[in-house]
Amino acid sequence: RKEVEQDPGPFNVPEGATVAFNCTYSNSASQSFFWYRQDCRKEPKLLMSVYSSGNEDGRFTAQLNRASQYISLLIRDSKLSDSATYLCVVNIHTGKLIFGQGTTLQVKP
Amino acid sequence: DARVTQTPRHKVTEMGQEVTMRCQPILGHNTVFWYRQTMMQGLELLAYFRNRAPLDDSGMPKDRFSAEMPDATLATLKIQPSEPRDSAVYFCASGLGGTNQPQHFGDGTRLSIL
Repeated sequence: RKEVEQDPGPFNVPEGATVAFNCTYSNSASQSFFWYRQDCRKEPKLLMSVYSSGNEDGRFTAQLNRASQYISLLIRDSKLSDSATYLCVVNIHTGKLIFGQGTTLQVKP
Repeated sequence: DARVTQTPRHKVTEMGQEVTMRCQPILGHNTVFWYRQTMMQGLELLAYFRNRAPLDDSGMPKDRFSAEMPDATLATLKIQPSEPRDSAVYFCASGLGGTNQPQHFGDGTRLSIL
């Protein structure tokens, strides 16, 4: 079983749609969590950290459920520019990040 | 904005040749990571350093790969001899090393071994 698992997609949605990505992790000792975004042929970039109480950044909302070892990302009012691969990332212990395989999102006009 | 700098951006060479990739972490960052990304495997951690000391290189094939930090401003990843299966994008990332600290990635080196 992979340490971080994501549905690879692709998710094809129209502009303006709301889309949600899920991620599960296997190590209950995981300490911190992130969502990264990666555009085609580019480097991964931090989208947002994920906090235990849930957090929001504009159209993006991240949730963490430690009991179920589950992380989610919700994108509201999706834009064409949101098309990318979204990587779920878990910090197993200080400094070492484990990346999921990524979920691909295509937003269509 | 401060950025992680990687060189070269692209490298094409024949199998058996030595390949050296370089990374300049963001000034003040004390952790440096090397990743490899392929379509099949996704992002794999090869090695990482804290305060220039190697902490984990369990993801790296030891017989042909080596990673070093000769000083705080330079990390290197070397492949000798290279093989076609090493073709991938190699990313360097740096961070502040705390539990809640994210990593910042360089543009990557796109390596093709013929």
